[in-house]
Amino acid sequence: DQQVKQNSPSLSVQEGRISILNCDYTNSMFDYFLWYKKYPAEGPTFLISISSIKDKNEDGRFTVFLNKSAKHLSLHIVPSQPGDSAVYFCAALTNFGNEKLTFGTGTRLTIIP
Amino acid sequence: KAGVTQTPRYLIKTRGQQVTLSCSPISGHRSVSWYQQTPGQGLQFLFEYFSETQRNKGNFPGRFSGRQFSNSRSEMNVSTLELGDSALYLCASSSGTSQEAFFGQGTRLTVV
Repeated sequence: DQQVKQNSPSLSVQEGRISILNCDYTNSMFDYFLWYKKYPAEGPTFLISISSIKDKNEDGRFTVFLNKSAKHLSLHIVPSQPGDSAVYFCAALTNFGNEKLTFGTGTRLTIIP
Repeated sequence: KAGVTQTPRYLIKTRGQQVTLSCSPISGHRSVSWYQQTPGQGLQFLFEYFSETQRNKGNFPGRFSGRQFSNSRSEMNVSTLELGDSALYLCASSSGTSQEAFFGQGTRLTVV
């Protein structure tokens, strides 16, 4: 049972345009969400996170939106750069102090120069 | 500050053997989690240790076990290896006061 789903295995975006990566979840107990970026042969790198009490969090070119009623979150990257090409994972936590991350299966983002 | 260190980076084992992987968390971090990544499965949670105690466990068979030492370093052991255990094993550390987990580069295990 995949509690965190990333339904797009891949996405291609022109350099300079906006990249939008989507993530859906089924467990209403999730209350903290994170996005990780992963290059081949490296561990995931933390990008940005959002608490369930917020609907938006912004950090530079990265913005995460959370729609709790739809159990949906998205990561926006503006403007997209070639170095953003990687696999992006969304992850969720059920409660503070519980470090068990539930990951989606990832979306491979390719930025086209 | 040094990041999360996993050793070895690559490992080839034969079916039926056992393997031990090591993870040194970021200094001061007390929580260490282990994940398995296989193609198409994303990252699957194995277990989490906090202050030498297993605090959380995923849905993996008992062949997968772990432990944490007083210096927060952690080891993961897989006994009676199967071909399907071939994967990238990732360790993540966190402070326990912040939700962000920081990952090591992983150990690529190949079972032949």
